Amino acid sequence: EVQLVQSGAEVRKPGESLKISCKASGYTFTKHWIGWGRQMPGKGLEWMAIIYPVDSQTKYSPAFQGQVTISVDKSTTTVHLQWSSLKASDTAMYFCARDFYDGTYYYKDVWGQGTLVTVTS
Amino acid sequence: EVVLTQSPDTLSLSPGRRATLSCRASQSFSSSLLAWYQQRPGQAPRLIIYGASNRATGVPDRFSGSGSGTDFSLTIGRLEPEDFAVYYCQHYGYSHTFGQGTKLEIQ
Repeated sequence: EVQLVQSGAEVRKPGESLKISCKASGYTFTKHWIGWGRQMPGKGLEWMAIIYPVDSQTKYSPAFQGQVTISVDKSTTTVHLQWSSLKASDTAMYFCARDFYDGTYYYKDVWGQGTLVTVTS
Repeated sequence: EVVLTQSPDTLSLSPGRRATLSCRASQSFSSSLLAWYQQRPGQAPRLIIYGASNRATGVPDRFSGSGSGTDFSLTIGRLEPEDFAVYYCQHYGYSHTFGQGTKLEIQ
């Protein structure tokens, strides 16, 4: 079964660093881009960044460039999202998702369960 | 960057009725890049439609998608209780833009 399993909820103070993870299983990890999106409380989805596990090529949405870092560990088939200095406005649910391309269509076919990040003093 | 605007923001209907959700893009793009997702409360999004009109695996045939260019729609033929959720359209462009969502609620 293809699965993305995310790390658990986190509570941090403003200014602290954080790294959350998304472990992939059930498919050839290097064949698909995989990325992270944000959903602030009561709001819609915003896509942040994607990474290609083969060569760690990354693409960031302009709004998130320089705000977060996406990385991959091929040995553990895990993708990470990290912050060096959290802000209260980073409080949100974060989802990872696999990108699928079959030669014609592009879409996000498998999603993680979500990781709630709360930043509060 | 493509901006997606969904309408209406909220749609109130009774089970058994037909629902039509709209997604309008700020510029034209290939329908192969348009997907729809369903998100139930407290859950991750779930792929419903890809390539504007193709049902994802396991999605009931009461769900259908259509459209091209800048205008796309999602239709749910006869609403079941489990269909009441938030629906997002998404453009697989550089920023993987999502629309703001349409909340389908029970009337």
